[in-house]
Amino acid sequence: GQQLNQSPQSMFIQEGEDVSMNCTSSSIFNTWLWYKQDPGEGPVLLIALYKAGELTSNGRLTAQFGITRKDSFLNISASIPSDVGIYFCAGQLYESTTSGTYKYIFGTGTRLKVLA
Amino acid sequence: DAGITQSPRYKITETGRQVTLMCHQTWSHSYMFWYRQDLGHGLRLIYYSAAADITDKGEVPDGYVVSRSKTENFPLTLESATRSQTSVYFCASSEGGGFYGYTFGSGTRLTVV
Repeated sequence: GQQLNQSPQSMFIQEGEDVSMNCTSSSIFNTWLWYKQDPGEGPVLLIALYKAGELTSNGRLTAQFGITRKDSFLNISASIPSDVGIYFCAGQLYESTTSGTYKYIFGTGTRLKVLA
Repeated sequence: DAGITQSPRYKITETGRQVTLMCHQTWSHSYMFWYRQDLGHGLRLIYYSAAADITDKGEVPDGYVVSRSKTENFPLTLESATRSQTSVYFCASSEGGGFYGYTFGSGTRLTVV
């Protein structure tokens, strides 16, 4: 099946540092979503991107839809301990809208650990 | 309470047994989804449903059965559980097909021994 390459797989950072992660693919996507998953919980939507080049912020989080439509980036500024968790990207393929359903491919996640 | 709830949270079952995972949402969302989460694979779509009595296969449907007789419920059944079905299962729902993304439940951790 389709693959989304998400990197890095994991990272340890100091509190207050900025964080960057990305998702890349060989396929073109219509939509990019970024989710965060806390331990023992389901993913929670952070940011949605709908246009190539779009830059969207949600508090300390900023995400960008790559110009080529094959990648997306998430930045977290001034990290705090509650940022710990797994961050997932999800891309909606141009051709995957069937009967009004938007199906997404999920990346394998970036596990973030913040050291106080 | 409003939201999407999954039950049970944890389940251990034996190989060959039938097991059903429940999903209930209170938003009257038309669309519901089942995903499994495994290390190295991220989230993979098992089945989805666009409305009551309308279901369709996702990426990894083999060994699973779904039904949707009521809008709010979307149970997932493993007809004869195998060890490869040990996973964390997430149910999700969305308004408008998922254009704005999905809302996920808290998951069911299933272990097949």
